[in-house]
Amino acid sequence: TQLLEQSPQFLSIQEGENLTVYCNSSSVFSSLQWYRQEPGEGPVLLVTVVTGGEVKKLKRLTFQFGDARKDSSLHITAAQPGDTGLYLCAGGPPSNTGKLIFGQGTTLQVKP
Amino acid sequence: DVKVTQSSRYLVKRTGEKVFLECVQDMDHENMFWYRQDPGLGLRLIYFSYDVKMKEKGDIPEGYSVSREKKERFSLILESASTNQTSMYLCASSLYRVYEQYFGPGTRLTVT
Repeated sequence: TQLLEQSPQFLSIQEGENLTVYCNSSSVFSSLQWYRQEPGEGPVLLVTVVTGGEVKKLKRLTFQFGDARKDSSLHITAAQPGDTGLYLCAGGPPSNTGKLIFGQGTTLQVKP
Repeated sequence: DVKVTQSSRYLVKRTGEKVFLECVQDMDHENMFWYRQDPGLGLRLIYFSYDVKMKEKGDIPEGYSVSREKKERFSLILESASTNQTSMYLCASSLYRVYEQYFGPGTRLTVT
C-alpha cells in the first residue's frame, strides 16, 4: 500500500516567517499535487509536479518534486495570514488509475 | 474554470434515514470521486466512478452506495444513516487517467 507522510501536522508561525512542509513516501509517484483547503471549503489545486527534480513557483510558494519522485516539499516565503489553511499533498501512482494517495495534511496558522 | 457543485452545504439527518448527496460537474470529466474527511484521518476515498454506470469501491465503502446515471452527476447514498457517518463529504472530478482533481465545496453531514 502506498502511503504519503506529511510533516509537520501543525504549524503556527508569525507573519513574515518562512516555512517548509514535507511530503514523503517510500514509493514512486508519476505526479504529485499540492492542494490548499480553507475551513468549510473543498481543497483547491495549487500545483502539479511530474518530473523528478522539478521546481515550480507560485508567487511566494515554491514546490519541489524529489529527484526519485518519492517526495516533495512546499516552501512559503514571508508567510501572510491569507496563507492560513490546510495544505494537502497527493500522489498519483504509476498505475495511472486516476485515484490519488493523499497525505494527512498540514494545518498552517499564520498570525498577524 | 472547472466547477463542481454539491447539493447541500449543511445537512442534518436522523439515524436510520436514507440520505442522498448529489454532485454535479460541468467540465465533461470522466472520473468522479466521493471522499469523507475527518479530523486526524485525512481524506478517505469512499467510491470512484470512471464512466457512466461504472463504479469502483474505495477504501471505506461500507454503509454507502453510489449512482452515476449521467456523466455529469454522481450521487452518494447512505442507505441507513448512522451517527458514525457524521462527517464532511467531498466530491471531486478529473479527466480520465489524469490525476488533477477538482473538488466541490463539501457537505457537512450531521447524523443525530
